[in-house]
Amino acid sequence: EAEVAQSPRYKITEKSQAVAFWCDPISGHATLYWYRQILGQGPELLVQFQDESVVDDSQLPKDRFSAERLKGVDSTLKIQPAELGDSAMYLCASSHRVANYGYTFGSGTRLTVV
Amino acid sequence: ILNVEQSPQSLHVQEGDSTNFTCSFPSSNFYALHWYRWETAKSPEALFVMTLNGDEKKKGRISATLNTKEGYSYLYIKGSQPEDSATYLCAFSFSGTYKYIFGTGTRLKVLA
Repeated sequence: EAEVAQSPRYKITEKSQAVAFWCDPISGHATLYWYRQILGQGPELLVQFQDESVVDDSQLPKDRFSAERLKGVDSTLKIQPAELGDSAMYLCASSHRVANYGYTFGSGTRLTVV
Repeated sequence: ILNVEQSPQSLHVQEGDSTNFTCSFPSSNFYALHWYRWETAKSPEALFVMTLNGDEKKKGRISATLNTKEGYSYLYIKGSQPEDSATYLCAFSFSGTYKYIFGTGTRLKVLA
């Protein structure tokens, strides 16, 4: 069964350092999402790509976060500099252009900033 | 502010018990509602995609209903098993946006 690949699975970084996460969606899925889930809260959309274009990054803290999907396939989410409050689970998901069958999620990256 | 609320936040049930929980969402401009199951150390898994008022969907012992006019969906688990232990998330989308807003989830623990 096709999966959304994410790496790394866990990341510990010191505050003010840079950190990057990678996601490879299901082949053929045009839409890719990055979500952040802080403990005790629901997943919050950070950025949504349609092919290589950003269609929603309204909740992305653009002073420190950046995301790209250059060839419309895999994607990288970067944080620079990391802050203590960035500790969370970062989930990547993909879907067809209209998510009529729901999202397929990756296993996530658990980030701890110390 | 668009709120999707889930209740209860967490619950423990005994093996064999049936249980249900609620997802509440804005009742206007509804597009779709998703239910996901998220087991520890795994990826969230899509359970149901619901789009029509009155929809009822079933997968094994798990079923869901949808009421878009009053803005709620119920998820039912019949005869809970320990492997049903997970966080159950719902996600709601407004018409024309394709953007899904997640609830905070219901954490279910089924005790053997």
